[in-house]
Amino acid sequence: AQTVTQSQPEMSVQEAETVTLSCTYDTSESDYYLFWYKQPPSRQMILVIRQEAYKQQNATENRFSVNFQKAAKSFSLKISDSQLGDAAMYFCAYRSAWGAQKLVFGQGTRLTINP
Amino acid sequence: GAVVSQHPSWVICKSGTSVKIECRSLDFQATTMFWYRQFPKQSLMLMATSNEGSKATYEQGVEKDKFLINHASLTLSTLTVTSAHPEDSSFYICSASQDRNSPLHFGNGTRLTVT
Repeated sequence: AQTVTQSQPEMSVQEAETVTLSCTYDTSESDYYLFWYKQPPSRQMILVIRQEAYKQQNATENRFSVNFQKAAKSFSLKISDSQLGDAAMYFCAYRSAWGAQKLVFGQGTRLTINP
Repeated sequence: GAVVSQHPSWVICKSGTSVKIECRSLDFQATTMFWYRQFPKQSLMLMATSNEGSKATYEQGVEKDKFLINHASLTLSTLTVTSAHPEDSSFYICSASQDRNSPLHFGNGTRLTVT
């Protein structure tokens, strides 16, 4: 079974600075998807960024980018120019490319933005 | 974009009663939907996979007779918590995707409180 580990329960960053959230995963599959979801206090799950395992290029969405290291099974999220609205729980998630489409989530990292 | 609607957003019920939660895909058809449960300050744990026209697949440790899932159409899945107890109080979230290559979209969640 696949597992996802987020080793940072909490992180904080100054507004406008850059922060990196860590995520590692374990799988025997070669084809899969990785995601970062944001969950603000409203508890709505918001997709931040997605990476296909077969793509070597790291995904980027505006201020959000990932560092995907397939051999190391690492998938970190970098948030540049942090804004107060970025404060939330961030979940790393894994999804097989075949078979069940279910998401397996990490434990989450609570990100605080200091003004 | 794909929208998943979940209803109700919060519900309070008495111990021993049953509660039904609806999850609808508003602008796409979903043959598969997923039900997650989230305790305070914890991650999302998959409860079951809802399959249109067939029985749901439950994760290990989830009582299928207590958490009844019905997926009668391509746009609607329901989760019924039967004979609810205070320990069933939690945040329940559904998700669905248009197809295997699309990311999962989440409903806004249902906060269940059993008194």
